[in-house]
Parts: sequence; C-alpha cells; structure tokens
Amino acid sequence: DAGVTQSPTHLIKTRGQQVTLRCSPKSGHDTVSWYQQALGQGPQFIFQYYEEEERQRGNFPDRFSGHQYPNYSSELNVNALLLGDSALYLCASSPDRGRNTIYFGEGSWLTVV
Amino acid sequence: GENVEQHPSTLSVQEGDSAVIKCTYSDSASNYFPWYKQELGKRPQLIIDIRSNVGEKKDQRIAVTLNKTAKHFSLHITETQPEDSAVYFCAAKGLSAGGTSYGKLTFGQGTILTVHP
Repeated sequence: DAGVTQSPTHLIKTRGQQVTLRCSPKSGHDTVSWYQQALGQGPQFIFQYYEEEERQRGNFPDRFSGHQYPNYSSELNVNALLLGDSALYLCASSPDRGRNTIYFGEGSWLTVV
Repeated sequence: GENVEQHPSTLSVQEGDSAVIKCTYSDSASNYFPWYKQELGKRPQLIIDIRSNVGEKKDQRIAVTLNKTAKHFSLHITETQPEDSAVYFCAAKGLSAGGTSYGKLTFGQGTILTVHP
C-alpha cells in the first residue's frame, strides 16, 4: 500500500520563475492538502482540494495555485517565485469521511536563489 | 481562525527521564489533536493523536492528555531514549465555516527535544 508520494524531492529555482510540485495521495484517500514549512517553523496550511476543487485556503497569495485530477493526485503551482518561498512543501492526504488521520508525504525541498 | 501555542521551544533531558510538551488552542470547536515527530530533513510523522471525546490516550511510552475546558493538550514521553531526539509538533483540527471538519491542521511552533545518553 503506497503512502503519499511527492515529486520532485529537491529543486532549485531562480527568483521570478514558476514551479510545479506533484503529489499522489495514499490509496483510498480523496482529499489532498498542501503545507509550506519554512526552516525552523511548523507547517502552514496553503490549501485543500477535494473533488477537483479548492475547498479551503490558508493565508497565501494568489501566486500559489493548485489542481486536483480525477485520480485524486494534485499539483501545487507557485508563480513569480520569491526568496521567501524557499521551504519544504508537504502534501498531506486523508479520506474525506471517517477517520481524521492525515498522512504526509516526504516533501519537496524548494530553494529559490 | 485557530491558533496553537506550544511550549517549551526546546527541551533537554537525560536518557530515562520523562519529557512533557504542552499546547493550547483557541478554537473550542477543534475536535482532533495529533502530535507529529519530525527528524532532521524528514517529513512529520504521526506518533499519537486524540479526539475531543477522549481525555487521555496511551501508546507504549507515549501518552497524550486533553483538557477541553482549558483548551490545552499535552504530550508525555516516558523513559526517553536518544532516538526520541527530534522536533515535535502539536496540531489542532477545527471546523470550517460550514461546520464540517475538512482536515486543515493548525500547527504549534515546535519543540526541539534532545535526549542525552
């Protein structure tokens, strides 16, 4: 039973560029959330996708956008990258109903130079 | 929105001692409280969780207590071992504006636990 998988694991981008991160949820999970974890801080909620729509959003600018596909996999897109976007981006999946347990992927380390 | 405060920010103990980390939350509607352990360069891993209808839960050397009235919950690790050294995060999951629990977690700031051999 595969857990939450994310790609790429590490990447370096230049200020102003755009990046796309990908996530495949744990088998049986239909809800995907994205979190940003800056160095030395706790994860911060970016947004959540369910049934291919953004259902809930945290305090992040419109430069952060996402998508969910019919197979429940998801993408996080960040435009016009800033140095402050350097962080670990975590994907979390959970079933929409039933148990509350939320599982995290290994994350994508983004460095903006 | 929900706000979670976590203390202490750093905790140093000797192997075999107990460690306690405390968190408070602001939203009385929050109903799920997980604890995550994060080792350097790794993802947060769920170590224990508690739901709002339970006051205490134990799993071997780890226990969590919840006081809904005071809106605080605590992680207790007994007989600590060097491999317990990591950053620990508490989190709370509340309800959306529509009253449905959608799974958004609000995290505390983290506690760096160091267990000295």
